[in-house]
Amino acid sequence: EAGVAQSPRYKIIEKRQSVAFWCNPISGHATLYWYQQILGQGPKLLIQFQNNGVVDDSQLPKDRFSAERLKGVDSTLKIQPAKLEDSAVYLCASSLDLAEETQYFGPGTRLLVL
Amino acid sequence: SQKIEQNSEALNIQEGKTATLTCNYTNYSPAYLQWYRQDPGRGPVFLLLIRENEKEKRKERLKVTFDTTLKQSLFHITASQPADSATYLCASYSGAGSYQLTFGKGTKLSVIP
Repeated sequence: EAGVAQSPRYKIIEKRQSVAFWCNPISGHATLYWYQQILGQGPKLLIQFQNNGVVDDSQLPKDRFSAERLKGVDSTLKIQPAKLEDSAVYLCASSLDLAEETQYFGPGTRLLVL
Repeated sequence: SQKIEQNSEALNIQEGKTATLTCNYTNYSPAYLQWYRQDPGRGPVFLLLIRENEKEKRKERLKVTFDTTLKQSLFHITASQPADSATYLCASYSGAGSYQLTFGKGTKLSVIP
């Protein structure tokens, strides 16, 4: 079974630029999560989708971050404009369903904002 | 809101010994706690889950306990090996309509040959 795919793996941008990350979850997984992991910290949930609907985006900085999962499969997370403090690893995870206990994580996208 | 505290940032142990990692939670008792392993440059990998009404769970050389009185979970790796070196994350799931996992900062375990 293929795992969660993410691209790109690395990205370097200057502050105030925009950037987008892509995630392809495990086939058949209805729930998709985006996490931000700052160096030395645990992952922090940014947004959670159930199919193509948003379940929880309470910790998403909506003035600069946006995410979509239009067809209930792939998802894109965008930052516009980026700030220095957005430097982090952005992890995508998926699970079979909302109350499914195990989340499967992708390798992450490492973002450096200069 | 729930906070997960993993007090040890780093733990060094000798190969063959038992590693014990601590996870404390504040506020309400979670429906369950999970433990994940994270290697450098990779995403977390699920290891074990223990529910509120369970005292202990085992999987091969791994054991996790849940003490609701102390608000604490302990994660043990017996007969540790250098390949066990990684960061271990504790995560809390509250249930009750909230589907969020709240992660601790993790403990970096180094097993010395």
